Amino acid sequence: DAKTTQPPSMDCAEGRAANLPCNHSTISGNEYVYWYRQIHSQGPQYIIHGLKNNETNEMASLIITEDRKSSTLILPHATLRDTAVYYCIVRVGGGNQGGKLIFGQGTELSVKP
Amino acid sequence: GAVVSQHPSWVICKSGTSVKIECRSLDFQATTMFWYRQFPKQSLMLMATSNEGSKATYEQGVEKDKFLINHASLTLSTLTVTSAHPEDSSFYICSARAGTGDEQYFGPGTRLTVT
Repeated sequence: DAKTTQPPSMDCAEGRAANLPCNHSTISGNEYVYWYRQIHSQGPQYIIHGLKNNETNEMASLIITEDRKSSTLILPHATLRDTAVYYCIVRVGGGNQGGKLIFGQGTELSVKP
Repeated sequence: GAVVSQHPSWVICKSGTSVKIECRSLDFQATTMFWYRQFPKQSLMLMATSNEGSKATYEQGVEKDKFLINHASLTLSTLTVTSAHPEDSSFYICSARAGTGDEQYFGPGTRLTVT
């Protein structure tokens, strides 16, 4: 079962920041928040992940609230190539069977000129 | 990032035949590989988890005798769809990771069409 809630779709103007929210109110203390995206008919692409601190890499920033019940993925300057379905995933379990990524429905982001 | 490949990228087969899909980690050793299925307009559904040298663990509702998974080496896992039916037509995606604390990297997917 997916443990995250995301809006089904969002629009963003090209060149502006895209802020994608995610609720994960039942997250456990040792569970990470992962973000992946899937461009049409391709395999998912890893974006970023975090535990409790904010994270930034060359693709995006991840802001996690202090209570860890929600997070926001920020694409600072969205381009048309960022149009994709974005998945927020709480990584479950541990050990050899752990770390499974269970995908929810994601947010379909459309970047418009 | 690490590279995962799949072969073939697309395949068409006749109903009742079997088809094998390969998943390879090209630049790292994958102790664990995962297989997903995705129908049009839907999210990815995890089918099974396989660890090198041991039997795959299937998710609830996935028929292990129909979807045969072999993870014989640290760089190769195969999914065989046996006695394929048109309802098995889907986008099959694999992913791989080196260790439990490592990132999971996805292949480009295989489009299966059963006629």
